[in-house]
Amino acid sequence: GQQVMQIPQYQHVQEGEDFTTYCNSSTTLSNIQWYKQRPGGHPVFLIQLVKSGEVKKQKRLTFQFGEAKKNSSLHITATQTTDVGTYLCAGRASGGGADGLTFGKGTHLIIQP
Amino acid sequence: GAGVSQTPSNKVTEKGKYVELRCDPISGHTALYWYRQSLGQGPEFLIYFQGTGAADDSGLPNDRFFAVRPEGSVSTLKIQRTERGDSAVYLCASSRHQTGVGELFFGEGSRLTVL
Repeated sequence: GQQVMQIPQYQHVQEGEDFTTYCNSSTTLSNIQWYKQRPGGHPVFLIQLVKSGEVKKQKRLTFQFGEAKKNSSLHITATQTTDVGTYLCAGRASGGGADGLTFGKGTHLIIQP
Repeated sequence: GAGVSQTPSNKVTEKGKYVELRCDPISGHTALYWYRQSLGQGPEFLIYFQGTGAADDSGLPNDRFFAVRPEGSVSTLKIQRTERGDSAVYLCASSRHQTGVGELFFGEGSRLTVL
C-alpha cells in the first residue's frame, strides 16, 4: 500500500534558526496536506497543495509540492517557541483506489530558547 | 456543534472486553474518517465514510474492528475482544469535501487503554 515517509523524525533548533521537514510518498499523489499537532493535542490543518511544483506561503511558512507530485517540503523561517509541535504531511494516492488520507509519522520540532 | 466531538475522552478496559467509541462530526460534513495514533507516531488510517457508506475500510487491522454511520452523521467505532496492542488514541475527523480533497477537522480523540 501507499507509504508516506517524513524526515527528520526529530529536529532540535535554536530559536530564530530555520527548520525544514521533508515528505516523500511511494506513489504519485493527487494532493498533499500539512497539519500541525501540538503536544497532547490533535492535528490542525495548515495547508493543501494540489498542483505539480506548487509553492504556497503562510507568513514564515513555505510549502512546496514536487514536480512529480511524490514529495513535499515545509520550511519555517526564523523559528519561534510557538512553532513547537509535530508537523505531519498527509497524501492521497492519485488514480483512484483507496480514498483515505495516509499520514507520515511526522517531524517533531523542538526549539531551544 | 462547533467542532468534532468524541466520547469518551478516556476509556480503560480489560483485555477481551468490547469497546465502542463515538464520533459526532461537524454538522453538514459528509466525509468522516477514523484514525488511530500511538505515542510518537503519525495517525494511522482505519476507515473513511462518505455519507452512510464506508467508502474505504482498507485500514481496519482485522475483523475485531468495525465502524458504522447509520444516518450519515454520528459514527461509532466498535472493537471486539480488545487486545493490549489496541491501546492508542482513536481520532475522528470530518470534512465537507469528498475523497481526500479539502481540510480535515479532527476531534480531541478517545484515549483507549487495554490492561
